[in-house]
Amino acid sequence: DAMVIQNPRYQVTQFGKPVTLSCSQTLNHNVMYWYQQKSSQAPKLLFHYYDKDFNNEADTPDNFQSRRPNTSFCFLDIRSPGLGDAAMYLCATSREAGAIDTQYFGPGTRLTVL
Amino acid sequence: AQSVTQLGSHVSVSEGALVLLRCNYSSSVPPYLFWYVQYPNQGLQLLLKYTSAATLVKGINGFEAEFKKSETSFHLTKPSAHMSDAAEYFCAVSEGRYGNKLVFGAGTILRVKS
Repeated sequence: DAMVIQNPRYQVTQFGKPVTLSCSQTLNHNVMYWYQQKSSQAPKLLFHYYDKDFNNEADTPDNFQSRRPNTSFCFLDIRSPGLGDAAMYLCATSREAGAIDTQYFGPGTRLTVL
Repeated sequence: AQSVTQLGSHVSVSEGALVLLRCNYSSSVPPYLFWYVQYPNQGLQLLLKYTSAATLVKGINGFEAEFKKSETSFHLTKPSAHMSDAAEYFCAVSEGRYGNKLVFGAGTILRVKS
């Protein structure tokens, strides 16, 4: 089945220690998204790639970076995680970048910062 | 900026009873509206979406939603709740340069009692 895969499902890191979360997709979609969902809150878009074009949300902290080396993979890098960065991180994809294009979500990676 | 308000952070219904989850939106342009469901420790799954076609939208798992412009509402309903419907439900509106940024409401946790 075509799908969005996130690894690992659970990640523990130490305060200030860089961490990378991974997302891959077999849907061959052009657009990949990263959302942050803190406990009991709504998901919030951090950034997205349309093909190789990176689109950052204005309020996304500089501490968060992303890489998309090819169509299938997208990475979220947190350079110096703080306690406030503990959250579920959701990857999503869509075929195109229009509002009408359904976003398909992965199962998420739950990040714990000690 | 678009926004979404979900009335009621928790809703409890008996199995077999009507499910009604409320969503009101704020948008300066005709909106695209979505309902997503999230089961514990999982990603989001699209239930249905409104894209300015029919105002009554039918989705998966027996859910439907009606777009009412005069009330700026997009409430989600299901005639008969099932235990498997217990989850968190998010209403979302699209915005952004391409229209593909999802702005989510705070979510409503649905509990189904046997």
